[in-house]
Amino acid sequence: DAKTTQPPSMDCAEGRAANLPCNHSTISGNEYVYWYRQIHSQGPQYIIHGLKNNETNEMASLIITEDRKSSTLILPHATLRDTAVYYCIVRVDTGTASKLTFGTGTRLQVTL
Amino acid sequence: SQTIHQWPATLVQPVGSPLSLECTVEGTSNPNLYWYRQAAGRGLQLLFYSVGIGQISSEVPQNLSASRPQDRQFILSSKKLLLSDSGFYLCAWRRKGTDTQYFGPGTRLTVL
Repeated sequence: DAKTTQPPSMDCAEGRAANLPCNHSTISGNEYVYWYRQIHSQGPQYIIHGLKNNETNEMASLIITEDRKSSTLILPHATLRDTAVYYCIVRVDTGTASKLTFGTGTRLQVTL
Repeated sequence: SQTIHQWPATLVQPVGSPLSLECTVEGTSNPNLYWYRQAAGRGLQLLFYSVGIGQISSEVPQNLSASRPQDRQFILSSKKLLLSDSGFYLCAWRRKGTDTQYFGPGTRLTVL
């Protein structure tokens, strides 16, 4: 299974872009990169995922390097409600089970 | 739309007592179902997953068991709780053929 490495914590000023990095140097060709976030005492929330190309949705953008060994989640205009732990995950496919392996994530603190 | 429910929301149990946590999903059929545990300050650990009624796969040896008596019901149990069973228990579902898991609100279990 490909493992991911994320900084334990980051700060971001409200209204600024939050750029959260993730290293996944052992990722294999058919593994997707997923991002979830977990606000305190709630269940994780899906944000975005991608394979090779950059992706954008209403929540965030995902930039994946050409060699796929790292990626960056971008929250373009962070708000206080974006304060959460952000998990970068590489999907493990086991038949139809499609398990997700969560690390310890990055704790993003958005401040005024 | 699909919703996932977990109960109870919080639970305090003495060591050696039994446990039953319930998870139900509405608005979908034949989902993959997952149980995760999150210890304080740590990432999520996958405990069990199920691809269908009566089909349970265990990820780690432990004091817990899981059952899926109905298509959209997933139960986590223990005959005798240990102190180390304390944590935040999350249920998740995924529609087969898609990539995203959706998490419930969680149950916070404290074993004293």
